[in-house]
Amino acid sequence: DTGVSQNPRHKITKRGQNVTFRCDPISEHNRLYWYRQTLGQGPEFLTYFQNEAQLEKSRLLSDRFSAERPKGSFSTLEIQRTEQGDSAMYLCASSERTENYGYTFGSGTRLTVV
Amino acid sequence: DAKTTQPNSMESNEEEPVHLPCNHSTISGTDYIHWYRQLPSQGPEYVIHGLTSNVNNRMASLAIAEDRKSSTLILHRATLRDAAVYYCILRGFSNSNSGYALNFGKGTSLLVTP
Repeated sequence: DTGVSQNPRHKITKRGQNVTFRCDPISEHNRLYWYRQTLGQGPEFLTYFQNEAQLEKSRLLSDRFSAERPKGSFSTLEIQRTEQGDSAMYLCASSERTENYGYTFGSGTRLTVV
Repeated sequence: DAKTTQPNSMESNEEEPVHLPCNHSTISGTDYIHWYRQLPSQGPEYVIHGLTSNVNNRMASLAIAEDRKSSTLILHRATLRDAAVYYCILRGFSNSNSGYALNFGKGTSLLVTP
């Protein structure tokens, strides 16, 4: 297993366009998280999946954002009608279903909205 | 959520030990203390975690105060590759629906000089 994989690594889009990011977690991890990180700040939680069920959403996740995890495997994060304030690094992490393990993060997708 | 307090930045010489402090005076009895680090242009990386007892692994040691209101991450011999932002995070006990996502603060930026 090569860890958590995120694609694409970089995305430049025009304001108003829709974008979709993909995350492939470690195969035996049933928990998956999305975070957003802006320059100089720590990552901020967006949403959490346990298998295919989306169990938590942050207030940061406006109605322009939607995430899915069909069949409890890979996950996608879509942003509709992008705004310049959406420019950030979007990070995905996965973990086992116990407190006794850490999270494994991907390298992120850097989104630039112009 | 229980909060953590860390210095904004610290500096160390290469090959010397580094002690990174973290205060968490409002920690609850079921909160785990997690440490992650983030190298430039990468996602966060799990370092170590503990509940009550001191912990050691190949990357670092975690010293937890007897009252659990503070902890210290110890890098035994700093290398240039240890230059990163180090995050101290409290992670609560998760039930079947809550993933208790990690709440990152701003962390401590560690500079290692040759």
